[in-house]
Amino acid sequence: EDKVVQSPLSLVVHEGDTVTLNCSYEVTNFRSLLWYKQEKKAPTFLFMLTSSGIEKKSGRLSSILDKKELFSILNITATQTGDSAVYLCAAANAGGTSYGKLTFGQGTILTVHP
Amino acid sequence: GAVVSQHPSRVICKSGTSVKIECRSLDFQATTMFWYRQFPKKSLMLMATSNEGSKATYEQGVEKDKFLINHASLTLSTLTVTSAHPEDSSFYICSARVRASDTQYFGPGTRLTVL
Repeated sequence: EDKVVQSPLSLVVHEGDTVTLNCSYEVTNFRSLLWYKQEKKAPTFLFMLTSSGIEKKSGRLSSILDKKELFSILNITATQTGDSAVYLCAAANAGGTSYGKLTFGQGTILTVHP
Repeated sequence: GAVVSQHPSRVICKSGTSVKIECRSLDFQATTMFWYRQFPKKSLMLMATSNEGSKATYEQGVEKDKFLINHASLTLSTLTVTSAHPEDSSFYICSARVRASDTQYFGPGTRLTVL
């Protein structure tokens, strides 16, 4: 059974801190790894990673994938209170009837205090 | 781009009634849409995969006769919760995928409360 595990489950920091969120996966026919940010409503897309070792960056957020060790990290530098959210990672399946199916991790609840 | 809408955003109904939730991709064509359920403080659980013009593929443990999915066009999928019961109360989220991409774009979700 496909599995995605995130750590830590929750994290409390102060504004300006840097955080690293972890995601490990065991997925048959792995295709890509996606990161989402979920505030009060539905998740918003952050990154999709398909190649190992290539960092993707968007402002203060960056992410990288290691397909050999089966994990990804999401870094947030100079955190702000607006970064407070649940961060979800998901692994996409490439095989057969499961094509494109995303298996989600439990999420990391990030709280940034002023 | 890649906006997905969902309607209604919130619905309260009596036990035994049926509720229809619509999911639309507003600025792109989505050959595949997905329906998820999310319980408080939990992650998203995939319920079914909906391909335009064909029957939905349901995940194990999801009753296809209870959760009817129709994907009649490239921009619209509907989920009907039939004969809803209080245990069906949840946050239902749809997503749409652009052809040949793994990225799913999510709708804002529908909060269903069954009394």
